[in-house]
Amino acid sequence: DIQMTQSPSSLSASVGDRVTITCRASQSISRFLNWFQQKPGKAPNLLIYGTSNLQSGVPSRFSGSGSGTDFTLTISSLQPEDFATYYCQQSYTTPLTFGQGTKLEIK
Amino acid sequence: EVQLVESGGGLVQPGGSLRLSCAASGFTFSSYWMYWVRQAPGKELEWLANINQDGSEKRYVDSVKGRFTVSRDNAKNSLYLQMNSLRAEDTAVYYCARVEVVTTHHYYYMDVWGKGTTVTVSS
Repeated sequence: DIQMTQSPSSLSASVGDRVTITCRASQSISRFLNWFQQKPGKAPNLLIYGTSNLQSGVPSRFSGSGSGTDFTLTISSLQPEDFATYYCQQSYTTPLTFGQGTKLEIK
Repeated sequence: EVQLVESGGGLVQPGGSLRLSCAASGFTFSSYWMYWVRQAPGKELEWLANINQDGSEKRYVDSVKGRFTVSRDNAKNSLYLQMNSLRAEDTAVYYCARVEVVTTHHYYYMDVWGKGTTVTVSS
């Protein structure tokens, strides 16, 4: 199975900050990488698919990049509603696998 | 409105069975792959199974293979997960998700999720 490792596991930041979350795959997954945001008690919400494609309705402050084994999610200017847990997920092969999550907290 | 609604969760004893349902509305259910994903308390998301549009292709994660069965009824716009031989470690919120595909790039992604149904396995 492909293991997905996110860093950091948690992050404290302030409104207006630029934040980057990293996701590393245990083998090359080309650009088959998706990002989700999850708030407590809620279902995940798709942010980005195929490494860098912004899902409809997602603010443009979210962006993704990478290929192969190393990927990043960047939030250019944090807003209060962005404090949540973020997960990467590979869609290269089954079993599909997720990272362990990055909890973004208010400093 | 595009919507998925899970049901069927509850408290079950170890070794017991449950059947989860996912009712789809607002889109042509029969045109989409579907997934089941779960999340144990305080843990990360875990993909469990997928099923193609006509139910002829199914795949499972090893931890549920042989115990869980995914199926669908396109006439009823419904997805199911039959869960047998349940264990304490199956305790989780179970989500169904619609799979969107960008065929030119073979991108598969979960663009619509239900709110989840909670399964608790305990004596």
